[in-house]
Amino acid sequence: EAGVTQFPSHSVIEKGQTVTLRCDPISGHDNLYWYRRVMGKEIKFLLHFVKESKQDESGMPNNRFLAERTGGTYSTLKVQPAELEDSGVYFCASSQDRVGYTFGSGTRLTVV
Amino acid sequence: ILNVEQSPQSLHVQEGDSTNFTCSFPSSNFYALHWYRWETAKSPEALFVMTLNGDEKKKGRISATLNTKEGYSYLYIKGSQPEDSATYLCAFIDNTDKLIFGTGTRLQVFP
Repeated sequence: EAGVTQFPSHSVIEKGQTVTLRCDPISGHDNLYWYRRVMGKEIKFLLHFVKESKQDESGMPNNRFLAERTGGTYSTLKVQPAELEDSGVYFCASSQDRVGYTFGSGTRLTVV
Repeated sequence: ILNVEQSPQSLHVQEGDSTNFTCSFPSSNFYALHWYRWETAKSPEALFVMTLNGDEKKKGRISATLNTKEGYSYLYIKGSQPEDSATYLCAFIDNTDKLIFGTGTRLQVFP
């Protein structure tokens, strides 16, 4: 079974630019989550999709972040315009139930 | 605000030493407690999912216990090996269906 795939693995962009992160969950997993780890701090929840619907987006920092999951398959997370404090590792996870979560290896975003 | 605390923040041990870490979490609205092992640039690897008070789980040299009434879990590593070096994360789930992580315990095992 293929795991959760995230692309790109690393991204370095300038402040003010736009970046789009992509997550391909495990096939058949209805639940897709985005999390973020800022250096030295805990991994924090951003949002949760159930199929194509946003179930909970209470962790999204501000309106510069836009997540989509068209067709209930892969998801994108766009940051526009990026700020320095957006730097961190962005993780995606998928789950079929609330017990087993499978994480991707993350996208390390550096805003300079 | 829900807080998950892990201690110690970091730990350096010699190969062969046994070690343990603590995770404390809110005792109300408990649904599950997850332990992950994470190496930088890799996916966090699920170690245990614990749901019942008094649960004890084991995977090779690693084991974990759970006390939901007092809100803590211990992770034990017996006979640490250099390949055990990683950050160990615990995450709490309540009825809101999102993982709330601690900051992790960074373990380094020296040969």
